[in-house]
Amino acid sequence: EAGVTQFPSHSVIEKGQTVTLRCDPISGHDNLYWYRRVMGKEIKFLLHFVKESKQDESGMPNNRFLAERTGGTYSTLKVQPAELEDSGVYFCASSPTTGAGYTFGSGTRLTVV
Amino acid sequence: AQSVTQLDSQVPVFEEAPVELRCNYSSSVSVYLFWYVQYPNQGLQLLLKYLSGSTLVKGINGFEAEFNKSQTSFHLRKPSVHISDTAEYFCAVELSAGTALIFGKGTTLSVSS
Repeated sequence: EAGVTQFPSHSVIEKGQTVTLRCDPISGHDNLYWYRRVMGKEIKFLLHFVKESKQDESGMPNNRFLAERTGGTYSTLKVQPAELEDSGVYFCASSPTTGAGYTFGSGTRLTVV
Repeated sequence: AQSVTQLDSQVPVFEEAPVELRCNYSSSVSVYLFWYVQYPNQGLQLLLKYLSGSTLVKGINGFEAEFNKSQTSFHLRKPSVHISDTAEYFCAVELSAGTALIFGKGTTLSVSS
């Protein structure tokens, strides 16, 4: 089966611009998660979708971040406007059921300059 | 608040030596425990997980971990490492099924000949 796909793999944007990250989960996985790792820090949870509904968005840092999962398939994470501190690696993960361990994508490395 | 502590940020070892990567967690409730590995330029890959049952868990690539409830630890071990095991290893806990993973800061394992 295809894994979790994220694109772009890298993105370099200027402060104030908008960037949209995309995640395609494994087909049939209802649970989709976004995580972020800022350089030198832990991987931190951002939010969790169950199908198209936001189950938990307690990790979203502020209202410059908007996540969507239309139709319960792929998800996008938009950062608008981007700030320097948004730089990091954004991971997406999916799972068919809870507590099963997630399958992670390769991540999108975002650099804001 | 729950947390995960990986006691060593970097572990250098020689090929064919044994290795132990340490992980302690703090939680007042039962948790699910995971180890993930990130090889250079790749995503996070699940090494092994503890959900319940036997406290000794075997994973991929010859790794195993032991859950110790009294010491709230979940140390990762391998009796003989290879150059190809060079990667960053993350310990993570899940407080209940489907909730966000809480990660440690990661341990970089460097295997040299």
